[in-house]
Amino acid sequence: GNSVTQMEGPVTLSEEAFLTINCTYTATGYPSLFWYVQYPGEGLQLLLKATKADDKGSNKGFEATYRKETTSFHLEKGSVQVSDSAVYFCALSDHSGGSNYKLTFGKGTLLTVNP
Amino acid sequence: GAGVSQSPRYKVAKRGQDVALRCDPISGHVSLFWYQQALGQGPEFLTYFQNEAQLDKSGLPSDRFFAERPEGSVSTLKIQRTQQEDSAVYLCASILIPQRSLSPDTQYFGPGTRLTVL
Repeated sequence: GNSVTQMEGPVTLSEEAFLTINCTYTATGYPSLFWYVQYPGEGLQLLLKATKADDKGSNKGFEATYRKETTSFHLEKGSVQVSDSAVYFCALSDHSGGSNYKLTFGKGTLLTVNP
Repeated sequence: GAGVSQSPRYKVAKRGQDVALRCDPISGHVSLFWYQQALGQGPEFLTYFQNEAQLDKSGLPSDRFFAERPEGSVSTLKIQRTQQEDSAVYLCASILIPQRSLSPDTQYFGPGTRLTVL
């Protein structure tokens, strides 16, 4: 079956530090990969996505590259801000074989950025 | 509406009570998903609707869980005889149109209903 493993948190950084949150996956087909973010008191929001190998998703200074050879989709940002404090979820959607795009999530990584 | 809405936002139930959780997807969205998010975990898939048809209910944990979407818009997730292990946040998400030949559309999530079973 499909699964997503992401870096355990919590992660605490100072403002302007470099961020990496690791994510690896297992899938039977050819998944699309996502990072969702959950800000305090809010619902899940899509941060970025990539639909095939070597695609790079990017948004709000965050980037992640779909690496099929290492089955990874690590999230990076060069300079984090206090406003990036949130829980980050890596997820996949395996739509091969007529699947319905349901998402399989990792456990989430809590990021706290201090001024 | 502007986004996916869910009600109630918080629900406290005594063990053994039945509960009903409502999801209003974005107007016109064809597909609707329910997920269960336990404390400290990622969301887990429960069930999927395309219009009024429930096409996948493989994630429902027991026959106490039942979902419906009779007119293809609003959906209700019902949990009968609630147990403490049912305590979680229940998330609803919708997609405009699923396209098998194209990249998957973004799932838009509601704020969730936090269910606490005492």
